[in-house]
This record gives sequence, C-alpha cells and structure tokens, in this order.
Amino acid sequence: QSVLTQPPSASGTPGQRVTISCSGSSSNIGSNTVNWYQHFPGTAPKLLIYNNNQRPSWVPDRFSGSKSGTSASLAISGLQSEDEADYYCATWDDSLNGVFGGGTKLTVL
Amino acid sequence: QVHLVESGGGVVQPGRSLRLSCAASGFSFNNYGMHWVRQAPGKGLQWVSLISYDGSNKSYGDSVKGRFTISRDNSKKTLYLEMNSLRPDDTAVYYCAKAFMVRGVSLDYWGQGTLVIVSS
Repeated sequence: QSVLTQPPSASGTPGQRVTISCSGSSSNIGSNTVNWYQHFPGTAPKLLIYNNNQRPSWVPDRFSGSKSGTSASLAISGLQSEDEADYYCATWDDSLNGVFGGGTKLTVL
Repeated sequence: QVHLVESGGGVVQPGRSLRLSCAASGFSFNNYGMHWVRQAPGKGLQWVSLISYDGSNKSYGDSVKGRFTISRDNSKKTLYLEMNSLRPDDTAVYYCAKAFMVRGVSLDYWGQGTLVIVSS
C-alpha cells in the first residue's frame, strides 16, 4: 500500500488528453513539491515534472503538472503511442522519507 | 554527459549482506545529494535512501531502516548502499539517482539499475 494513491491504469486514444491523479496527505503533498516520472520497464525512470509543474528541458510541453492541496495531477495532451508507459508521482514526506505513488500504467488504444 | 552506473547486485541468501556501488561521471558529484530507489518484480518504484552532498545527512525508508546504510566517497565519485540482514522482499532492481534540489525527490538522472535477488 503506497502512501501516495494513483489509479492503477489509465488509457486514451492518440491525440486525446489524459490525466493521472495522485492523492496524498498534509505531511507529504500538502507540504512538499511533487515530481512525476515516466518509466518504461527495464529502463531508467525519467523525470517529467518537478516542483509541481516545471518541466526539464528534455520534456515536451505536452506534459504538464499541477497541485492543489493534498493532490496532484499529470496531464498529457496530444497523446502519442510512445507515451505508453508507467507513470509515478513522488514527493517528500515530513517523516523524513521519500514516497512514491503506486504507479499508473498508461495504455494508448 | 551524466552517467550513473550501478554494480554489486547478484543472488544472496536471506540474512546475508551485499554492497551496491554507483559510479558517477559527467557532473560535480560532491555538489549533489544522491538517492537509491528500488523496484521489486511486478511492483512500483520504492524510495530507499538519501544522502546529502557531503554525507552529513542521511534518510532511510521504513522498510530498510536499521539494515541498510548509505554512504559516499566524493574522492572516488561513488555512492554506496550496504545492505545487511537481507530478506526475500528486498529482491528488486536497485537504481541510484542524482538529486538536483536539496530537498525532495527531484531526481534528474538515474542509472540503469542492478538486480538483487534474495533467495535460498
């Protein structure tokens, strides 16, 4: 059972916009910034979003993040087949732990 | 170009120890905190441990606290994870990752991982 709650799966068709939610508590998301990672099995995870809504230079602007209270969301617009991957939210918890969500498997139909 | 290369994984019996290493290159290793994150078979990512840029601050996940020790040698640009009293549920791919912010879990570069299997 992960400290951060994500839906186990999400799906969309090419060109659609999909969102993935991440729910936490006042001790983690509520008081710290949220990061999002994209992970293709067998490879190194890749940072997509940091500081709730900032994109590293290598991430296209189709990816965006937001945070409100104790929840955060990742949005992917103009969905492409290569976006099919696992997505994880992550943040710091005030109990001095890093925490990850359980992950969401995105399927492009 | 940033490179992180983990090594030291393998098959180990329950209760035994193993030390993982992560060799860093392409950035000023002694300026950045480093993390270990793992992924058990069929499971999601799990945060394991963090060490500050100078080794003065360390944090551990509840599942490894008291058994695992993170350390670093800035002169060798190498991160370590000493794992003791290993259990079958420690079986996972272990990734090292570079933090680019002082606080939090903002990890901009990751290694390819090293597999640890705890089994008799």
